[in-house]
Amino acid sequence: QLQLQESGPGLVKPSETLSLTCTVSGGSISSSSYYWGWIRQPPGTGLEWIGSIHYNGNTYYKPSLKSRVTMSVDTSKNQFSLKLSSVTAADTAVFYCARVPSNGDYWDYWGQGTLVTVSS
Amino acid sequence: QSALTQPASVSGSPGQSITISCTGTSSDVGSYTFVSWYQQHPGKAPKLMIYEVNRRPSGVSNRFSGSKSGNTASLTISGLQAEDEADYYCCSYAGSSTFAFGGGTKVTVL
Repeated sequence: QLQLQESGPGLVKPSETLSLTCTVSGGSISSSSYYWGWIRQPPGTGLEWIGSIHYNGNTYYKPSLKSRVTMSVDTSKNQFSLKLSSVTAADTAVFYCARVPSNGDYWDYWGQGTLVTVSS
Repeated sequence: QSALTQPASVSGSPGQSITISCTGTSSDVGSYTFVSWYQQHPGKAPKLMIYEVNRRPSGVSNRFSGSKSGNTASLTISGLQAEDEADYYCCSYAGSSTFAFGGGTKVTVL
């Protein structure tokens, strides 16, 4: 059974860079059949797609976040990562990592989510 | 790229049917058959309930069904049960490998 697990600091200071890692178990991140992505949910509000990455390094970001987002893959560790720079309080959210089939456009496996708070 | 529009809340009595709408534009919902729906209970991760407008993943009850007309997709829950009380989100492919989510709908079982 595929499992995804987010990890990273739960508290980040304003103007700094938020860094999260998603570890995939029960399956290989190097499959050409899937993309991997990040989705966030500010407290009490809805879901927001941040970006997606393929193991070959292809990335796609939400246009409004593109200038601050960097995603990467480490196939040796079966992990992918998110960096969000110049954070503000508005970036406080639960961050989920998830999987999307390459030939489909739906998120079929999700991590449990990790809360990141931006505060000094 | 804007968020899709969903009603904030929908309610129904046990056994009834309810429908949640998801309105987008001709750049997302109206142009693709890649609409999916997710159920989220408090404190939990979203769960895929419907994909490609009207397909159900293995293990999802056939009480859940999806449809689309023009720029609006819909999720119908028939035979409403207490366990269906949750937040529901739609999602659409929006071109250029991007996605748009709806604002979410809180379903209350009366």
